[in-house]
Amino acid sequence: AQTVTQSQPEMSVQEAETVTLSCTYDTSESDYYLFWYKQPPSRQMILVIRQEAYKQQNATENRFSVNFQKAAKSFSLKISDSQLGDAAMYFCAPSGAGSYQLTFGKGTKLSVIP
Amino acid sequence: DSGVTQTPKHLITATGQRVTLRCSPRSGDLSVYWYQQSLDQGLQFLIQYYNGEERAKGNILERFSAQQFPDLHSELNLSSLELGDSALYFCASSVDGRGTDTQYFGPGTRLTVL
Repeated sequence: AQTVTQSQPEMSVQEAETVTLSCTYDTSESDYYLFWYKQPPSRQMILVIRQEAYKQQNATENRFSVNFQKAAKSFSLKISDSQLGDAAMYFCAPSGAGSYQLTFGKGTKLSVIP
Repeated sequence: DSGVTQTPKHLITATGQRVTLRCSPRSGDLSVYWYQQSLDQGLQFLIQYYNGEERAKGNILERFSAQQFPDLHSELNLSSLELGDSALYFCASSVDGRGTDTQYFGPGTRLTVL
């Protein structure tokens, strides 16, 4: 079984600034991946970034990067040069080789202030 | 656009009724997942199919059923609907349904039960 904790229900950031969203998880899997999805007001679930747990190097996708601390079971998302279009709910989700579904946290609502 | 399509976008029905939600996966994806997003329960995994066969079951009620057809599209059937079934229902697809696969989400079907 997997559990996910996103301890920040809401966050805000000034446009062009940097923000970090936190996520901690617990899993019994030895082989697993971690995902961040965003859900803008349109309600579409959009993949932001993924991290393979066996890789030590943190994943990066343009302005989005993660800080993956495997021993601490922490998987935070950093958004650099925040843009108005980044305003959304962000969900952290681990998925293990032995479990087929994504387990989602409760999400963090990010507001971007112009 | 993720390449996953869902119909209808919105559905309004009455308690006790039955509805069918439809999903077409991305081209080349063999696995389909169904998730429910409600205000009180968050995002929950319902069921997964891989190449026509049920692979994993989550918190799916007995009143709900699903299937995946030979052309790989999937349908989620919800019967004896209750007010609490009002939610956003997502379909996602992945290449081969492994737990470490990336899942791509459709736009969702918003179900309102009156």
